[in-house]
Amino acid sequence: EAQVTQNPRYLITVTGKKLTVTCSQNMNHEYMSWYRQDPGLGLRQIYYSMNVEVTDKGDVPEGYKVSRKEKRNFPLILESPSPNQTSLYFCASSFTSAGEQFFGPGTRLTVL
Amino acid sequence: ILNVEQSPQSLHVQEGDSTNFTCSFPSSNFYALHWYRWETAKSPEALFVMTLNGDEKKKGRISATLNTKEGYSYLYIKGSQPEDSATYLCASLSGSARQLTFGSGTQLTVLP
Repeated sequence: EAQVTQNPRYLITVTGKKLTVTCSQNMNHEYMSWYRQDPGLGLRQIYYSMNVEVTDKGDVPEGYKVSRKEKRNFPLILESPSPNQTSLYFCASSFTSAGEQFFGPGTRLTVL
Repeated sequence: ILNVEQSPQSLHVQEGDSTNFTCSFPSSNFYALHWYRWETAKSPEALFVMTLNGDEKKKGRISATLNTKEGYSYLYIKGSQPEDSATYLCASLSGSARQLTFGSGTQLTVLP
């Protein structure tokens, strides 16, 4: 089944404890991106990747890192999480940046 | 950061009513306009990707139009059903065509 998977789906952590949210797609998509969703603000792009080893900042990259070592995986890393990073996170992928995005199931992160 | 605006923010209609919402986006350097449907507790799913001025797309009872010169798109739902209740997101791709910017969505509730 064609899909985008994210893990974990839910995470409660404490300030400063490094964490990684994994994202994987099995559709051979070149474009992958991370979004965060906060009430009243819609989806805001954190980072995106046009292809392997090519990543760029989105609108809200501060406090996040990403890597794209393989085409299928695009992990989101929070080196030192803070409470303002409490949010719902979505990974998405598509064949190109202009193509329809396929979203993962979302990760609900709470930073205490 | 592009400003993608959606109106109204929320909408309640009766079952059987037809309805429409608006997405406005910067018209300069336009590349593509996306519409997504986002049901509660699920992930956004693509409805349409539109690129040409005057384009009109249809999927069942849902259709969309695009005016790239003036920077707006309309989404229409004919004969709304309770299962149409969702948040409808639009997103604009422009400039370098690398980064998708989302509006904050229109939340539709169809009352039986």
